[in-house]
Amino acid sequence: EAQVTQNPRYLITVTGKKLTVTCSQNMNHEYMSWYRQDPGLGLRQIYYSMNVEVTDKGDVPEGYKVSRKEKRNFPLILESPSPNQTSLYFCASSPGPLSYEQYFGPGTRLTVT
Amino acid sequence: GNSVTQMEGPVTLSEEAFLTINCTYTATGYPSLFWYVQYPGEGLQLLLKATKADDKGSNKGFEATYRKETTSFHLEKGSVQVSDSAVYFCALSDGIGGGADGLTFGKGTHLIIQP
Repeated sequence: EAQVTQNPRYLITVTGKKLTVTCSQNMNHEYMSWYRQDPGLGLRQIYYSMNVEVTDKGDVPEGYKVSRKEKRNFPLILESPSPNQTSLYFCASSPGPLSYEQYFGPGTRLTVT
Repeated sequence: GNSVTQMEGPVTLSEEAFLTINCTYTATGYPSLFWYVQYPGEGLQLLLKATKADDKGSNKGFEATYRKETTSFHLEKGSVQVSDSAVYFCALSDGIGGGADGLTFGKGTHLIIQP
């Protein structure tokens, strides 16, 4: 089944404790993105990647890191999480040039206390 | 920059009522337009899309027409069901960067359908 998977689905952590949210897609898509969803703000892009070893900042990159060492994986790293990063996070992938549809994972709900 | 504006709701309707969710946009280039739906506890799913002016996207009884003159992409359905209760997002991609930089989303409209 073609899908985007994320782990974990739910995470509660404390301020300053490094964490990684994994994302994997099995559709051989070139493009991958991370979004955060907050009430009243909709979805905002954090980072995106056009291919292996190619990443760029989205609209709200502060406090996040990403890497793309393999085509299928695009982990999101919070080196020192803070409470304002409590949010619902979505990974998405897209086939490649001129294909604007995004395919979303199920989401990761992160709480930072 | 790009932006999408849509009614936030909640929008509450009775089953079999007619639905309209308004969406207007500002964008550079020639955007493609989308409606995504998010059911409770799930990720976003593409509902329909339109890639050029006057295109009509349709799926599952929902329709939206790309109106360049009014920069709008309103979502409509003739007879809603309880199972249509969800959050609906209007989104655009301006095509700059080949789509790699993702979508610009509206804030979402929470739709509640009562039996």
